[in-house]
Amino acid sequence: SQTIHQWPATLVQPVGSPLSLECTVEGTSNPNLYWYRQAAGRGLQLLFYSVGIGQISSEVPQNLSASRPQDRQFILSSKKLLLSDSGFYLCAWQPGLAGTDTQYFGPGTRLTVL
Amino acid sequence: GEDVEQSLFLSVREGDSSVINCTYTDSSSTYLYWYKQEPGAGLQLLTYIFSNMDMKQDQRLTVLLNKKDKHLSLRIADTQTGDSAIYFCAEVDGGSQGNLIFGKGTKLSVKP
Repeated sequence: SQTIHQWPATLVQPVGSPLSLECTVEGTSNPNLYWYRQAAGRGLQLLFYSVGIGQISSEVPQNLSASRPQDRQFILSSKKLLLSDSGFYLCAWQPGLAGTDTQYFGPGTRLTVL
Repeated sequence: GEDVEQSLFLSVREGDSSVINCTYTDSSSTYLYWYKQEPGAGLQLLTYIFSNMDMKQDQRLTVLLNKKDKHLSLRIADTQTGDSAIYFCAEVDGGSQGNLIFGKGTKLSVKP
């Protein structure tokens, strides 16, 4: 069966520090991968998605970046965090072949920027 | 552009039925989804409905789809305190390769 992991679960970082959040998927190949941010009391904002290794699409301009160095690994990064980067970051995977378009979510990373 | 609208809050008593409503805009969406998010956790797929269906039932959950009005609802029968969560409606972004567009979520509070 497929599983999705996110690391770390929680993170407290000072403003201006770098960021690296990791997402890994097991039990599937060629998944589409997604990064979302959920700010307090708000819905999901799609940040990045990837349909393959090295292929990243950005939905919103920001100081974050994403990379996909391996088929089942998706990384969210920043060189310098802002206060507004605080939130709950969710990774999701979707079967790469045609299907229901269902996305399956990881447990999330709670980021607090102080 | 595509947009998914939901009311933000719903409060019910334990044992009553809950109905969470959603409107969407992309009539080409082949599937429509309901996700549940418990506090501090990721989103859990609850159910989905194919666009050529009017209704789908799965134990205590009933999904109704009105394609003409682009209206989707989730009914939870015999609501329990464990059903307290945020419920997200989602449609497929027709202009993408299968991305989902989520509503802002409805926070369901179940009172004993």
